[in-house]
Amino acid sequence: QQQVKQSPQSLIVQKGGISIINCAYENTAFDYFPWYQQFPGKGPALLIAIRPDVSEKKEGRFTISFNKSAKQFSLHIMDSQPGDSATYFCAASTGGSQGNLIFGKGTKLSVKP
Amino acid sequence: DTGVSQNPRHKITKRGQNVTFRCDPISEHNRLYWYRQTLGQGPEFLTYFQNEAQLEKSRLLSDRFSAERPKGSFSTLEIQRTEQGDSAMYLCASSYQWGYEQYFGPGTRLTVT
Repeated sequence: QQQVKQSPQSLIVQKGGISIINCAYENTAFDYFPWYQQFPGKGPALLIAIRPDVSEKKEGRFTISFNKSAKQFSLHIMDSQPGDSATYFCAASTGGSQGNLIFGKGTKLSVKP
Repeated sequence: DTGVSQNPRHKITKRGQNVTFRCDPISEHNRLYWYRQTLGQGPEFLTYFQNEAQLEKSRLLSDRFSAERPKGSFSTLEIQRTEQGDSAMYLCASSYQWGYEQYFGPGTRLTVT
C-alpha cells in the first residue's frame, strides 16, 4: 500500500519555466510534509517543508501548496534553472514519537537550457 | 556543522558475506534513522534510534539486519549473509528529538555480486 503517491514520474521544463510536482497522501495522521532534492550519487537534501496548519509556504523560488481537504500537496519551482535538474521526492510523517518519513517514488526533473 | 557522514561510500561484496556500515549524525541530534533506497525508488524506512534506544523497526528489516547505536552517537548497520536483493543505497539521517527535519548523509552504495 503506497501511502504517498507522486506524479509525474518525469518532467521536462524549459529554463525560466515553472516546474510543478504533485503528491497525494492517504493517512490523515500525517502532519509534516517535506520535499527533498536528490542529485545522482548523493543523499536527499531537505528543500522545503510544510505543516497542515498553513496552505502555502514559499522559500526563494520554491513554493509548497497544501490542500488538506483533498489530501494533496505540490511543489512549484519558479524560474526553473538547469541546476535544478535532479530527482525530487515528496514525503510525509506523523512526527512526534515516530517521525519516520514515508516517501513518494520521485520525479526526475530535467530543465532544458 | 559537518553534517551527517557515512562510511564507506561504496561497498562491493560477494553473496553470503557480512558487511557493516557506519553513520555519524549531526552532533547535537538525538534521533538517527536508517533508510534503504533502490534504483528509481524513494527511500524506505528501516529503523530509528533515539539516543541509544532502538525504538522502531520496519518489517523490511529482516533477521539478517542489525543496527546499533551504543553510546547514542554513531550508529552501525550490519547485514549478515548478504543476498543480491540487498544491493541498494543505505542512507542515514538524523534529527532533533522533537524536530521534524531530517538531514541525510551521502549514503553507502552496496553491491552484492
